[in-house]
Amino acid sequence: DTGVSQNPRHKITKRGQNVTFRCDPISEHNRLYWYRQTLGQGPEFLTYFQNEAQLEKSRLLSDRFSAERPKGSFSTLEIQRTEQGDSAMYLCASSFWGFPYEQYFGPGTRLTVT
Amino acid sequence: ELKVEQNPLFLSMQEGKNYTIYCNYSTTSDRLYWYRQDPGKSLESLFVLLSNGAVKQEGRLMASLDTKARLSTLHITAAVHDLSATYFCAVDIDADSNYQLIWGAGTKLIIKP
Repeated sequence: DTGVSQNPRHKITKRGQNVTFRCDPISEHNRLYWYRQTLGQGPEFLTYFQNEAQLEKSRLLSDRFSAERPKGSFSTLEIQRTEQGDSAMYLCASSFWGFPYEQYFGPGTRLTVT
Repeated sequence: ELKVEQNPLFLSMQEGKNYTIYCNYSTTSDRLYWYRQDPGKSLESLFVLLSNGAVKQEGRLMASLDTKARLSTLHITAAVHDLSATYFCAVDIDADSNYQLIWGAGTKLIIKP
């Protein structure tokens, strides 16, 4: 069973550095989502792709964040010039495009900005 | 503003007891999802509720959906320690065909022996 995988699982970086996370979705899924979750909160939507097209990006998302999904397979999320407020768990999920749109989540990447 | 509100946010209960978690939402939706999250772990899908009156059960957990009241419940029967986790509900909205999940803040459930 190849579920959603994310790498790295943990990342510690210094403020001002750039970081990149990778997500490999379930192979049959054509939708891929990125969320951010801080302690004690529910996931916060960041962006999503249908195949290689980025269809929606949260208005709350800073220009320092960028995501790609070349060839409609894996996706990367890059954060430039990291700030301490970026410390969070970054979750990736994938789903079929179609009813019932159930999302399957990866294990997450925990980012700590020092 | 679209809101999904869960209550309670924290629940400590004894094994063997019954309890209900409530999820209210402010927008029209026919799809509601329940997820479980263990500490430091990712989210596990529990239930997908797709229509008014939908009821699903798995073991000691039962979820229901009332779209007219914009309310879903997650009922726990004869709780056991293994059910200790944080439970999230999420509502699926169709914003110009861009289906997105709006999440509640989660209910942290602690079940004591």
